[in-house]
Amino acid sequence: QKEVEQNSGPLSVPEGAIASLNCTYSDRGSQSFFWYRQYSGKSPELIMFIYSNGDKEDGRFTAQLNKASQYVSLLIRDSQPSDSATYLCAVWWFGNEKLTFGTGTRLTIIP
Amino acid sequence: ETGVTQSPTHLIKTRGQQVTLRCSSQSGHNTVSWYQQALGQGPQFIFQYYREEENGRGNFPPRFSGLQFPNYSSELNVNALELDDSALYLCASSLGPLHSNQPQHFGDGTRLSIL
Repeated sequence: QKEVEQNSGPLSVPEGAIASLNCTYSDRGSQSFFWYRQYSGKSPELIMFIYSNGDKEDGRFTAQLNKASQYVSLLIRDSQPSDSATYLCAVWWFGNEKLTFGTGTRLTIIP
Repeated sequence: ETGVTQSPTHLIKTRGQQVTLRCSSQSGHNTVSWYQQALGQGPQFIFQYYREEENGRGNFPPRFSGLQFPNYSSELNVNALELDDSALYLCASSLGPLHSNQPQHFGDGTRLSIL
């Protein structure tokens, strides 16, 4: 059974600080990793995806992947109140043919 | 570029009824996946359609069925509705089926409530 685990939060971070969101997964295999942001009552919005070990940066967002330790992280620099949302981690395993989501981490940025 | 669109946005049904939800994929995308998201949970994969055929299915009973049309739009049909079917139903489109590892972009979803 392939599983994706996230701390449900809530995670509270002061405005301007770095928010760190973590995700672990159950099976090594060949994978791809996706981070989505979901505002309350809205649909998930793709923020970043990462396939290879290491870091991938896009503006204020950095995804970090460590396949040996089976975790993927999302860092948000200079956090803004508009970053307050639920962040969903999703993993695709080769041969599993579906995207498996975690339950999401609720992030609150405190002004 | 037109994004993924879903209809209706909200729907109220009673137990035992049937429902059809619709999705138009993003321009240029040939693959559509459907997800169910219960309150406080992550989306759960229902199935995917590619070239008008089902290309993968999650752990959902046969009363959840779908179609894809030549223009890549898709329908999700649910028969014999149950209270637990109350959820946000999300459609996502991508450039290729899941095994080609393409990011998926979601529509705004249909909120289905079963009374």
